[in-house]
Amino acid sequence: DQQVKQNSPSLSVQEGRISILNCDYTNSMFDYFLWYKKYPAEGPTFLISISSIKDKNEDGRFTVFLNKSAKHLSLHIVPSQPGDSAVYFCAASEIPYYGGSQGNLIFGKGTKLSVKP
Amino acid sequence: DAGVIQSPRHEVTEMGQEVTLRCKPISGHDYLFWYRQTMMRGLELLIYFNNNVPIDDSGMPEDRFSAKMPNASFSTLKIQPSEPRDSAVYFCASSARTGFGNTIYFGEGSWLTVV
Repeated sequence: DQQVKQNSPSLSVQEGRISILNCDYTNSMFDYFLWYKKYPAEGPTFLISISSIKDKNEDGRFTVFLNKSAKHLSLHIVPSQPGDSAVYFCAASEIPYYGGSQGNLIFGKGTKLSVKP
Repeated sequence: DAGVIQSPRHEVTEMGQEVTLRCKPISGHDYLFWYRQTMMRGLELLIYFNNNVPIDDSGMPEDRFSAKMPNASFSTLKIQPSEPRDSAVYFCASSARTGFGNTIYFGEGSWLTVV
C-alpha cells in the first residue's frame, strides 16, 4: 500500500516550457515533503522541500506547491532545460516532535522527466 | 566535504554467494539509512539506524538480509545467500537531526547483480 504515489512514470516537455510533476499521498500525518532528483548512475540529490505550514516554496526555477486538503503536491520547473532531464522522486515524512523519533522519508516511485531541445 | 561513501560501486556475484555492501555516512550525521531501488518498487527503505542503533528494520525483505552499524562512521548491509531477485541498486544515506524537517543525503549507490 503506497503512501506516496507518483502516478506518471514519465513526462516529456520541450525546452523552455513548464514541467509539472505531481505527487499524491495518503498519510494525513505527513507534514514535510521533499523532491529529489536522480541522474543515471548517481544517488538521489535533494532539490526542494516544503512544510505543511506553507502552500508554496520557490527556489529559482523550481517551485513546489502543497494542497493539504487534497493531499497533493506538485513540482513546477520553469523554464525547463535539457539538464533537468532526470528521475524526480517525491518524498514525505512526519515532522519530528520533541522527544520523538525522526522517522524516515517515504518515497514515491519516481517520474522520469525528459526535456527535449 | 565528503558525502556518503559506498563500496563497492558495482558487484556481480553468483547466486548463493555472500554479498557485503559498505557505507561511510557523512561525519556528524546520527541517522543512517539503507534503501534499495528497483524498477518495480522504486526506492524502498530497508532499515535505518539512529546513533548506531537499528530503529526500524521492517523493510528488510527476509532473514537473508542483515545490517550492522558498529560505529558512527561505518555500516554494512549483508545478503547471505544472495539470489537473482536481490539484483538492484542499494543506496546508503545519512542525515542529522534538525529541529525541522528531514533532508537525507544519499551515496552514489552499489549496483548489485546476482547471476
